[in-house]
Amino acid sequence: SQELEQSPQSLIVQEGKNLTINCTSSKTLYGLYWYKQKYGEGLIFLMMLQKGGEEKSHEKITAKLDEKKQQSSLHITASQPSHAGIYLCGAETGNTPLVFGKGTRLSVIA
Amino acid sequence: DGGITQSPKYLFRKEGQNVTLSCEQNLNHDAMYWYRQDPGQGLRLIYYSQIVNDFQKGDIAEGYSVSREKKESFPLTVTSAQKNPTAFYLCASSIDLYRSGWTEAFFGQGTRLTVV
Repeated sequence: SQELEQSPQSLIVQEGKNLTINCTSSKTLYGLYWYKQKYGEGLIFLMMLQKGGEEKSHEKITAKLDEKKQQSSLHITASQPSHAGIYLCGAETGNTPLVFGKGTRLSVIA
Repeated sequence: DGGITQSPKYLFRKEGQNVTLSCEQNLNHDAMYWYRQDPGQGLRLIYYSQIVNDFQKGDIAEGYSVSREKKESFPLTVTSAQKNPTAFYLCASSIDLYRSGWTEAFFGQGTRLTVV
């Protein structure tokens, strides 16, 4: 079965700093999803990547997919307190529901 | 407004009791899912359903049961056979199970179940 490993598990950054979260798959990635979750709430869809080398951006968040490395990275530029939360990557496995990583907990301090 | 609703938000259960978590969607989605979330564990799939009156076990189905009698509803019952039921439960729905569906997937706000 496919497994996703996220790193780091947790991250504390100073407001205004950049950061990167990685998601590495044990199998070939066909579709990779990034979600954000505030503690105790549901998941909010951020973006989906399908093709190797694909890069998408939304506001200050950029995600890339490296198909050869079976890895995706999520980069946040000039972090703000509103970026705090848990970031989860999810991968398509064919005809079964998304498999998720364990999440990266991000804290942004003033 | 279309969306997916989970209720209740918080639930307390005594050991040995069954409890049912509600999940309703008005998005006309065919597929619905239940995930369990524990600290540091990410989301793990309990059950999913692609169509009314049909559902499949996920990775951690033991101690849980579901039904899909209506398209809009996918309740999850946590039975007394579930040894560690205290967790955060998330319900989701999507147009379908396949690639085209997940970009439109919606997640509920979750139910936090605590066994006392």
